[in-house]
Amino acid sequence: GAGVSQSPRYKVTKRGQDVTLRCDPISSHATLYWYQQALGQGPEFLTYFNYEAQPDKSGLPSDRFSAERPEGSISTLTIQRTEQRDSAMYRCASSPRDFYPYNEQFFGPGTRLTVL
Amino acid sequence: GENVEQHPSTLSVQEGDSAVIKCTYSDSASNYFPWYKQELGKGPQLIIDIRSNVGEKKDQRIAVTLNKTAKHFSLHITETQPEDSAVYFCAASYSGGTSYGKLTFGQGTILTVHP
Repeated sequence: GAGVSQSPRYKVTKRGQDVTLRCDPISSHATLYWYQQALGQGPEFLTYFNYEAQPDKSGLPSDRFSAERPEGSISTLTIQRTEQRDSAMYRCASSPRDFYPYNEQFFGPGTRLTVL
Repeated sequence: GENVEQHPSTLSVQEGDSAVIKCTYSDSASNYFPWYKQELGKGPQLIIDIRSNVGEKKDQRIAVTLNKTAKHFSLHITETQPEDSAVYFCAASYSGGTSYGKLTFGQGTILTVHP
C-alpha cells in the first residue's frame, strides 16, 4: 500500500470492554512497532515485531495488553477489560529493517481510543 | 532505559527567523537520533536523522547537530515558513547488532511560525 494504515481511526468503548486495533504496515516491511501517545506527549514504545516474531513486549503496560502479527504482515493490538487510563492515541509504525540505514519508521495515522 | 528530554515545549517565531529545538539523552549506547514532524491529524514523519559517528547533518533549511560527550542534539530550522508550524519530536535509539531500533521520544515542541 501507499503507507501505514490503521483502523478504526476512532474507537469509543465502555470501561471493561475489550477492543482490538488493527495495523496494516507498508508491504515488505519486516519490522512493526506499536506506540501509545498520550495527549501532549511523545509516543511511548509498547512492543515490536520482526516479521511474526515478537522479541520485545517490555513496553506493554499490563497483561491486559497483547499484540500479534501471525503472518508477518497485519498486526493487531488487543486491550482486554479496558480502563479509563487506557484512553490515548495508539500508533503503529513499520520499517524495512531494524538496522541503519533501513530503519526509518513510517507511522500510521493512529487510532484514538476513548474509554468511558 | 533511555530517557529523552526536549526543550522548549512551545516555540513561536516570525517567518524568516530561525528556530532551534534541543534534546538531551541519558543512554550513552544510543547511536541513532531521528527528528519527526507531526502535523495535525497525522502521524509523525521523519524529517532528518543523524548517527553517532557524525557531528552535524544538513538538508536544505534543516540541520541537526550532535554532541556525544554532552549527550545532547539539536534541530535547527532556518528561514522558517508558516508551513513549518507543527509539533516536532526528537528521539533516540540504539540501532545495530541485534537491536531492534526501539525509539524513545522527547515530549515534543509545538512550533508556530507567524507570517
